[in-house]
Amino acid sequence: DQQVKQNSPSLSVQEGRISILNCDYTNSMFDYFLWYKKYPAEGPTFLISISSIKDKNEDGRFTVFLNKSAKHLSLHIVPSQPGDSAVYFCAANSYSGGGADGLTFGKGTHLIIQP
Amino acid sequence: NAGVTQTPKFQVLKTGQSMTLQCAQDMNHEYMSWYRQDPGMGLRLIHYSVGAGITDQGEVPNGYNVSRSTTEDFPLRLLSAAPSQTSVYFCASRPHGTYGYTFGSGTRLTVV
Repeated sequence: DQQVKQNSPSLSVQEGRISILNCDYTNSMFDYFLWYKKYPAEGPTFLISISSIKDKNEDGRFTVFLNKSAKHLSLHIVPSQPGDSAVYFCAANSYSGGGADGLTFGKGTHLIIQP
Repeated sequence: NAGVTQTPKFQVLKTGQSMTLQCAQDMNHEYMSWYRQDPGMGLRLIHYSVGAGITDQGEVPNGYNVSRSTTEDFPLRLLSAAPSQTSVYFCASRPHGTYGYTFGSGTRLTVV
């Protein structure tokens, strides 16, 4: 039973345009969401996060939107650059629940930026 | 400041052998965790630790042991390697009060 779902295995976007990566979750106890970027043969790199008490968080070209009622979040990258080509993972946890630490990950979306 | 260091980077084991994957962080982070990544899959949590002397199981703990005797080190032990444990293993750490984990560069393990 996958608690974090990224339904698009890959996404191709032209350089300079907006990239939108989507993520859905089923566990209503999740209260913190993160996006990681991963290049081949490297570890994931933290990109941006959002708490469940917010609906938007921005950091430069990256914005994450959270829709709690729909249990959906999205990562917007604008403008997209060639160096953004990577696999993007959505991750979540319930930090206020007093339970397990660590993250639950989606399967990832491979973003390809076309020149 | 090296961050999270994992050794070895690559390892081939025979079925039934045991080994320890090393993980060390120099950031004085309280929280550490181990993940495995299989092709087409996201990272799955194996074990985690919320501080020295405290460990607990994640989503896929079977076949693995951990201990945390110091803040810096969090080794992962494979007791009797099986082909199903062929994977890329990532160690990660985070400080108290923030929720983003810093990951190591991974250990690629093949069990034949």
